[in-house]
Amino acid sequence: SQTIHQWPATLVQPVGSPLSLECTVEGTSNPNLYWYRQAAGRGLQLLFYSVGIGQISSEVPQNLSASRPQDRQFILSSKKLLLSDSGFYLCAWRKPGSGANVLTFGAGSRLTVL
Amino acid sequence: GQQLNQSPQSMFIQEGEDVSMNCTSSSIFNTWLWYKQDPGEGPVLLIALYKAGELTSNGRLTAQFGITRKDSFLNISASIPSDVGIYFCAGQLYSGGSNYKLTFGKGTLLTVNP
Repeated sequence: SQTIHQWPATLVQPVGSPLSLECTVEGTSNPNLYWYRQAAGRGLQLLFYSVGIGQISSEVPQNLSASRPQDRQFILSSKKLLLSDSGFYLCAWRKPGSGANVLTFGAGSRLTVL
Repeated sequence: GQQLNQSPQSMFIQEGEDVSMNCTSSSIFNTWLWYKQDPGEGPVLLIALYKAGELTSNGRLTAQFGITRKDSFLNISASIPSDVGIYFCAGQLYSGGSNYKLTFGKGTLLTVNP
């Protein structure tokens, strides 16, 4: 069966520090991968998605970047965090070609920037 | 871009009551999904709808894909305390290639008083 893991689960970082959130998927190959941010207002905002290794599409201009160094690994990064980067970050995956347009989410990483 | 209007934003109900929430869009979707998010967790898929007019149940949950393909509703019957959480609708319009992206509503926060 497929599983998705995110870490760390919780992170408190000072303004200006770097960030690295990691997401890995097990039990499948060549998944579509997504990073969402959920701010206090509850809505889910798509940040990045990837259809393959090294292929990253950015949805909104921001202080963050994403990378996919391996097939089942998706990393969200920042060189210098801003207060506005605080939020709940969710990684999700989808099996391409499955005909089921369903995203499966990880448990999330809560980032607080002070 | 595509916009989803989800209502109501929040609901406070007594245990045992039925609940109804809906999403509307100005765009036509070919997939509607309903997710539930427990506090501090990632959203979990409840029901997926793929055909206009489709009515699908999952236990006490029932969802329908609107005939116009621009709306969907979710009903919860005989609510229980563990139904508490945020419910999201999500729509997807396949635009070709490998570009699958979901548009999410802002969520309905459900509180159930025992």
